[in-house]
Amino acid sequence: QSVLTQPPSVSEAPRQRVTISCFGSSSNIGNNVVNWYQQLPGKAPKLLIYYDDLLPSGVSDRFSGSKSGTSASLAISGLQSEDEADYYCAAWDDRLNGVVFGGGTKLTVL
Amino acid sequence: QVQLQESGPGLVKPSETLSLTCAVSGYSISSGFFWGWIRQPPGKGLEWIGSLYHNETTYYNPSLKSRVTISEDTSKNQFSLKLNSVTAADTAVYYCAMEMATIHCIDTWGQGTLVTVSS
Repeated sequence: QSVLTQPPSVSEAPRQRVTISCFGSSSNIGNNVVNWYQQLPGKAPKLLIYYDDLLPSGVSDRFSGSKSGTSASLAISGLQSEDEADYYCAAWDDRLNGVVFGGGTKLTVL
Repeated sequence: QVQLQESGPGLVKPSETLSLTCAVSGYSISSGFFWGWIRQPPGKGLEWIGSLYHNETTYYNPSLKSRVTISEDTSKNQFSLKLNSVTAADTAVYYCAMEMATIHCIDTWGQGTLVTVSS
C-alpha cells in the first residue's frame, strides 16, 4: 500500500490528452512539492516534473504538472506511442521523514 | 554531467547482508545534494530506502530503518548501502540517486542493479 495513491493504469488514443492523478495528505503533498518520474520499459526512472509544475531541461512541453491541496496531476497532451511508460508521483513526507512514492500508473497509448 | 554507477553482488543469501556501492562521476558528493538509494521489486513500484547529505544528516525509510545503513567515502567519491538480515522480499533492482536538497527531487538515477536474495 503506497502512501500516495495513483490509478494503476490509464489509456488514451494517440494525439489525445490524458491526466494522471496523485492523492496524498497534509503531511506530504499538502505541505511539500510534488515530483513526477517517467519509467520507460526496462529503464531507470527519469525526472519528468519537479517542484509541482517545472520541467527539467530537455523534457517536452507536452508534459505538465499541477497541484491543489493534497492532490496533484500530471497531464500529457498530444499523446505519442513513445509516451507508453510507468509514471510515478513522489513527495517528501514530514511525518515519515522521507520520500514517498505513488504506486505508479501504467500509460497505454491505444 | 553527473553519472552514477551501482556495483555489488547480484546474489545474496537469506539472513546475510546486501552491500552495494555507487560511484559518482562529474560531481563531488561533498559539495551538496543528498545521495541515496531507491529499490524496485520485480514488476512492482518504487520504494525510497534513504539518503544522506555529506557530514550533516541521513534519512531512512522507517520501514527499513532498523536494517539499513547508508554511508559515504568522499576519498573515492562514492556512497554505499548496507541492508542486513535480507529475505526474498528484498529482491529488487536497486538504484542509486542524486537527490536535490529541500525538495528531495531525484534529479539523477543510476542504471540500477538487480539483487536477488536466494539460497
